[in-house]
Amino acid sequence: DQQVKQNSPSLSVQEGRISILNCDYTNSMFDYFLWYKKYPAEGPTFLISISSIKDKNEDGRFTVFLNKSAKHLSLHIVPSQPGDSAVYFCAARGNGAGSYQLTFGKGTKLSVIP
Amino acid sequence: DAMVIQNPRYQVTQFGKPVTLSCSQTLNHNVMYWYQQKSSQAPKLLFHYYDKDFNNEADTPDNFQSRRPNTSFCFLDIRSPGLGDAAMYLCATSSRRRQTNQPQHFGDGTRLSIL
Repeated sequence: DQQVKQNSPSLSVQEGRISILNCDYTNSMFDYFLWYKKYPAEGPTFLISISSIKDKNEDGRFTVFLNKSAKHLSLHIVPSQPGDSAVYFCAARGNGAGSYQLTFGKGTKLSVIP
Repeated sequence: DAMVIQNPRYQVTQFGKPVTLSCSQTLNHNVMYWYQQKSSQAPKLLFHYYDKDFNNEADTPDNFQSRRPNTSFCFLDIRSPGLGDAAMYLCATSSRRRQTNQPQHFGDGTRLSIL
């Protein structure tokens, strides 16, 4: 049973527009959420994170929103650039037993069209 | 630059022939992880080391073993690879098991193919 779900396998966005990547989770014990970006033939690179005590975290063009009641988080990229084209993984960490472990979604492939 | 390095990047082995993948880190992190990622799937944690303390995931097959001779190096041994073990293997590190706002840092992975 998937505890972290990224329901959109792919997303295409025009350069300059906003990209919104979504992630849903089922485990209410998750207390820390991360987004990773992965280019082909490279490992995932940490992008941005948010603690469950916050509802928003911003870093330059990247903003992550967390809606705990809906168990939903989203990553906003504004403005989108061609170099943002990659696979984006949502990950979550719990605060109970096994809290070292990150649970990943399957990823969303973002294509930013020039 | 401090980093996580995996060797080799691509590994081909024969069905049933033992294979070892290696990971080294210059971050001096306490924790090292091994993940398996199959195509279009989420990375799946196999096991991790907190210093020398080995922690196996409950559903990791016995075919997979790991060694950590020192802080910098960690190895993944697959004793008898099957066709289903063909995947990308990712090594990651973190500075402490549950330190807040300390993400895991990943290497570029080793893609394992089984003939």
